[in-house]
Amino acid sequence: AQSVTQLGSHVSVSEGALVLLRCNYSSSVPPYLFWYVQYPNQGLQLLLKYTTGATLVKGINGFEAEFKKSETSFHLTKPSAHMSDAAEYFCAVSDESADKVIFGPGTSLSVIP
Amino acid sequence: DTGVSQNPRHKITKRGQNVTFRCDPISEHNRLYWYRQTLGQGPEFLTYFQNEAQLEKSRLLSDRFSAERPKGSFSTLEIQRTEQGDSAMYLCASSFLGGDTGELFFGEGSRLTVL
Repeated sequence: AQSVTQLGSHVSVSEGALVLLRCNYSSSVPPYLFWYVQYPNQGLQLLLKYTTGATLVKGINGFEAEFKKSETSFHLTKPSAHMSDAAEYFCAVSDESADKVIFGPGTSLSVIP
Repeated sequence: DTGVSQNPRHKITKRGQNVTFRCDPISEHNRLYWYRQTLGQGPEFLTYFQNEAQLEKSRLLSDRFSAERPKGSFSTLEIQRTEQGDSAMYLCASSFLGGDTGELFFGEGSRLTVL
């Protein structure tokens, strides 16, 4: 069975500071990993994904994440936070078939001016 | 707008009543998923369809829940004899098998409040 944990249900950063949202996964097969973002009153949208190949993946809005197999991690980072980054962020995992995407509990990001 | 559409956006009902939600996926997408999201939690998988076939159902989907996708296009999720514990946001997502692997396109959700 696959599962996702996200350390920290709420993270606050100052505008311009580094954003680091943590994600660890459990999977018995090579995982496909995703970060989704949910802005208030909007549907979830894909930020970035790892399937195969390069372990450092870049997404929209300046976010990137690195797949580290030895640590079973897929942490999300952004060098400089912007006010518009305030949202709920979900890490997710699936297998190659992508039949079922399993989401973590989410991390709410606040950006302080 | 060619995104995923869900209706109604908000439903308030009394315990014991039946409710039905509809999802219209992106037209060329052959996979359709239902998730449930409660406050402070991530989306929980309920079920998914490939075309009109329902291929997997979560244990969360009790016998009071039924989902259909009769013509492989829109889908409905019906909850019979609603309970207060059913109060949640019900999310629909679609994807294209053979396309960008794993990318789900979500609707804005249907919020259910059971009084």
